[in-house]
Amino acid sequence: AQSVTQLDSHVSVSEGTPVLLRCNYSSSYSPSLFWYVQHPNKGLQLLLKYTSAATLVKGINGFEAEFKKSETSFHLTKPSAHMSDAAEYFCVVSDNNNDMRFGAGTRLTVKP
Amino acid sequence: NAGVMQNPRHLVRRRGQEARLRCSPMKGHSHVYWYRQLPEEGLKFMVYLQKENIIDESGMPKERFSAEFPKEGPSILRIQQVVRGDSAAYFCASSKGGGRMNTEAFFGQGTRLTVV
Repeated sequence: AQSVTQLDSHVSVSEGTPVLLRCNYSSSYSPSLFWYVQHPNKGLQLLLKYTSAATLVKGINGFEAEFKKSETSFHLTKPSAHMSDAAEYFCVVSDNNNDMRFGAGTRLTVKP
Repeated sequence: NAGVMQNPRHLVRRRGQEARLRCSPMKGHSHVYWYRQLPEEGLKFMVYLQKENIIDESGMPKERFSAEFPKEGPSILRIQQVVRGDSAAYFCASSKGGGRMNTEAFFGQGTRLTVV
């Protein structure tokens, strides 16, 4: 069985400051891991994915995430937040059977 | 190549009616997933299907909900005798499947179901 825990339901940062959204996973296999973003009243968009290549993954809009097997973590970071980054972010784990499981989501608020 | 298409985008049903939500996966994708997003909650897995097979329905409510992905045509999520608590956004995703490199899912825009 696999699962994902997003440690913060809500994160608030000021524009121009770093963003850290935390994600821990549990999987019986070497998982694939993803971060998706959902803007208000929109569908989900893939930010980045890890599929056993480089452990530091760069995504769109300046986001990146580092796969740390020893910590079973896949935290999402960005050096400098922008107002347009305000959205809901979902960490997702997928096993070899393509079964995808979502975390509960983290709502990111960016203050001017 | 069109993305994942969900229709309708918005659906209003009275209590007791049936709701049918459709999802056409991306071309070449044979794996479909349905998720439900309740207000103020995250995405909850409902069901994972391949063509003509239900692989994992552990997230589906035991009653009133069913899903199918026929050989031809879109995947259908069917909710019978809807209740107010069924009001939510329902997202469909598709992937190629068949191994680690093909697990990326592409999402539709969702169907927002309102039960009045």
